[in-house]
This record gives sequence, structure tokens and C-alpha cells, in this order.
Amino acid sequence: AQTVTQSQPEMSVQEAETVTLSCTYDTSESDYYLFWYKQPPSRQMILVIRQEAYKQQNATENRFSVNFQKAAKSFSLKISDSQLGDAAMYFCAHVGRSQGNLIFGKGTKLSVKP
Amino acid sequence: GAVVSQHPSRVICKSGTSVKIECRSLDFQATTMFWYRQFPKQSLMLMATSNEGSKATYEQGVEKDKFLINHASLTLSTLTVTSAHPEDSSFYICSARSGQGINNEQFFGPGTRLTVL
Repeated sequence: AQTVTQSQPEMSVQEAETVTLSCTYDTSESDYYLFWYKQPPSRQMILVIRQEAYKQQNATENRFSVNFQKAAKSFSLKISDSQLGDAAMYFCAHVGRSQGNLIFGKGTKLSVKP
Repeated sequence: GAVVSQHPSRVICKSGTSVKIECRSLDFQATTMFWYRQFPKQSLMLMATSNEGSKATYEQGVEKDKFLINHASLTLSTLTVTSAHPEDSSFYICSARSGQGINNEQFFGPGTRLTVL
């Protein structure tokens, strides 16, 4: 069975600083994707970044980047130059070729202090 | 990105009544749609997966007779909560994918808050 673990229920960062959110996963599949989703107070799920497991290069999207350690099954999200609008719940998720459904972690609530 | 809409955004109903929630993909054809349930301060829990024209596949523990899912077209899926009770009060989120392949992005609707009195 696939599982996704986010061990940080809450994190806080000062505006303009950098923060890293942790995520580990377990899977028996060789073909899978990993995602970070943002859920602001509006509760609309927004895709932040995604990583294909077969790609060694870490994905980046502007201020967001991941550290994908496949052997360790770790997939952390780094947010640089944090902004007030980054405050939200962040969910790590996995989808495997065989299962086909997104499996979400429990989420990390990120607060950004001005 | 593609847009998925949900209607209504919030609904309040009396215990014992049925409620229908619509999920529409506005600018793409959704081969596969997913329904999630999210309790306050918790993660999204998958309820069921539906492919257009086929019966939905329900996750373990989800009553298919209570949560009726219909995916009759490539742009519309509906979730009907039958004989709703207060414990069914939750935030329901749909998402849609343009293909069955996992490389296709899933787009999420804005959610529906259901309150059962």
C-alpha cells in the first residue's frame, strides 16, 4: 500500500525567509509521481509542483523547489523568499501507475510572519 | 490551468433528505473524476473514482448506496448524498483528469460545504 507521511503538523517562517516542508512516502510501484498541493483558506486545491519519479533532476517552479531523494523516499518542499500569500495548508501527495489515485499526506499548516 | 466547477458551494439540509452536488469540467473532457471528503483540519480522503460511462469504484468503507456517483458525460459528475445525517456534514471536493494516465494533471473543484441539521 502507498502511504504519505508529513511529520510537521505546523510550520512558521518569517516573511522573505526560506522554509522546508518534509514529506516521506512508501510505495511498491516503480512508476509514480509526487506532488505538493497548496490549500489556502478558500480551500481551493492548487498544484504547487510535481516530480516524476524517473527524473533525477529536482523540479523547480519559481520560488518553490523540491529535494527528491528517491532511495530514501523523501520529497521535501523548499519555499524561498516566503510571502504572506504562501500561508496555507500544504499537502504532499503520491500517485502510482497501478493504483491511479492521489494519496495525500495529513498536511502541514504554514504560517508566514510579517 | 483547466477549470473545474462545483455547485452548490455550500448547502444546508435537514436530516433524512438527499443532496446532489455537481462537478463540471469547464474547458476539457474529464475521462476520470474523483470525489474526496475533507473533515476540518484533516486531509482529503478519496471516496470514489469514476470513469465516464462506467460505474464508480468506491474506496473501502464508503457506502455506495449512500453516496451515489454518476458520471454520465465527459464534463459532468454528480454526487448524491442520500438520506443525509449530521455525520455526513463535511467538505466535499471533486477533481477531474483528462485521461486515465497518471501523467495527466488532476484539477480540483472549489469544494462544497454540506451541513446536515
